[in-house]
Amino acid sequence: GAVVSQHPSRVICKSGTSVKIECRSLDFQATTMFWYRQFPKKSLMLMATSNEGSKATYEQGVEKDKFLINHASLTLSTLTVTSAHPEDSSFYICSARVDYEQYFGPGTRLTVT
Amino acid sequence: RKEVEQDPGPFNVPEGATVAFNCTYSNSASQSFFWYRQDCRKEPKLLMSVYSSGNEDGRFTAQLNRASQYISLLIRDSKLSDSATYLCVVALDNYGQNFVFGPGTRLSVLP
Repeated sequence: GAVVSQHPSRVICKSGTSVKIECRSLDFQATTMFWYRQFPKKSLMLMATSNEGSKATYEQGVEKDKFLINHASLTLSTLTVTSAHPEDSSFYICSARVDYEQYFGPGTRLTVT
Repeated sequence: RKEVEQDPGPFNVPEGATVAFNCTYSNSASQSFFWYRQDCRKEPKLLMSVYSSGNEDGRFTAQLNRASQYISLLIRDSKLSDSATYLCVVALDNYGQNFVFGPGTRLSVLP
């Protein structure tokens, strides 16, 4: 199956700082990637759809200026959490679309202190 | 009403048991359906797609009833390694986009 990687797997940062999370498709090209967040014991919530070479499409309620998404190549999408606050602490997971399915990265656990 | 609803669980079953999960969805325009499993603190992994004719993969059987907007997953001869959260996923298209995740049902298979 398709392999999606994420980096870092875990990050702890201080309030007010920015954190960048990378999502890579390792053995295929992904024109469309997705960013989700998941709170403990809750399901995944789609944050935005990232399209290579164009602006991301954000879900309602997701601040695009706070969660910056860049999909500059067919194998890399990045999510930058700007001016992070403790309430941004969560599990962030990316996925890449392959045909009609999605394959997920291993996730990034962000803790903001 | 939530878009995708699942049995709240958790399900605690002995090894070898048969267990069934139910899922309902509210949007009748939904086009594609999946079951994913998610281990604790890990990413979801595709278990199987669900087709109208029903499909089987080893010990796993998935069924779709479009008229009732209902999806099921049956696990036979459950193994300890089946312990996980099972996520029902519904998409509005057939292009791998617009996924809506259910809240998941936790399964614990006990020795």
